[in-house]
Amino acid sequence: SQTIHQWPATLVQPVGSPLSLECTVEGTSNPNLYWYRQAAGRGLQLLFYSVGIGQISSEVPQNLSASRPQDRQFILSSKKLLLSDSGFYLCAWSVGTKHTDTQYFGPGTRLTVL
Amino acid sequence: AQKVTQAQTEISVVEKEDVTLDCVYETRDTTYYLFWYKQPPSGELVFLIRRNSFDEQNEISGRYSWNFQKSTSSFNFTITASQVVDSAVYFCALSGTGGGNKLTFGTGTQLKVEL
Repeated sequence: SQTIHQWPATLVQPVGSPLSLECTVEGTSNPNLYWYRQAAGRGLQLLFYSVGIGQISSEVPQNLSASRPQDRQFILSSKKLLLSDSGFYLCAWSVGTKHTDTQYFGPGTRLTVL
Repeated sequence: AQKVTQAQTEISVVEKEDVTLDCVYETRDTTYYLFWYKQPPSGELVFLIRRNSFDEQNEISGRYSWNFQKSTSSFNFTITASQVVDSAVYFCALSGTGGGNKLTFGTGTQLKVEL
C-alpha cells in the first residue's frame, strides 16, 4: 500500500531564516506530487505541483520554491521566511495523467514564523 | 473558472443526530469530479469519496451518504447517527478541465458533535 510522509511535523522559525520541508511517498511510482498551504481558519491553497522529476509548476508567485530531486521526493523551500509563510503545509500525491485523479494527503507540517 | 461554496462555516449537533453538510459548485465543464475530504484535529486530510459528473447515483457507505444533483449543482454529504469521532472539518472539492484539472476546495465546514 502507498504511504506518504512529511517532516518535520512542526517547526518554529524566525523571520528571515531558511526553510526546507520534505515529503516522500512510498509504494508507488511516477506519482504526481503537490504542495498545499492552509492558513489558519481557511481553505487549502495549491502552491506547487510536479508530474515528474525536475518538473515543477508554480500556482502562486511567492516567497517559496519547490524541487523534486527524486521520483518520490518533493521538497518545499524558502531562502528567507516571512511572517505570512506561517501555516499548515500539506503534501499530496496522485497517480494518473490527470489531476482529476484522487489526491491523497500526508500528515502535514505546521510552520510558525515568529 | 471553478468555484466551490460551503456556506455552513460551523455546525454543532448532539451525538446520534443526523447532519447534512452542503456543497454547491460552479463549473462550465461537462466532465468534472467532485470530492469530499475529512480533516480531523490531527490535520491530515482523509479522502472520503470521488464522484464523476456522469454518475448521479447517490452513494451510501456505512453512516455516510452523498446526494449528487446536477440540476442544482450540489453534492451534499449526510452523516447518519453522528458520533463524537465525526467531529472534524469537512472539505468539498472540484476538479475539471476548466480549472486546469486541479482541485478547487471549498472553505470547509467545521462539524462539532457533542455528547
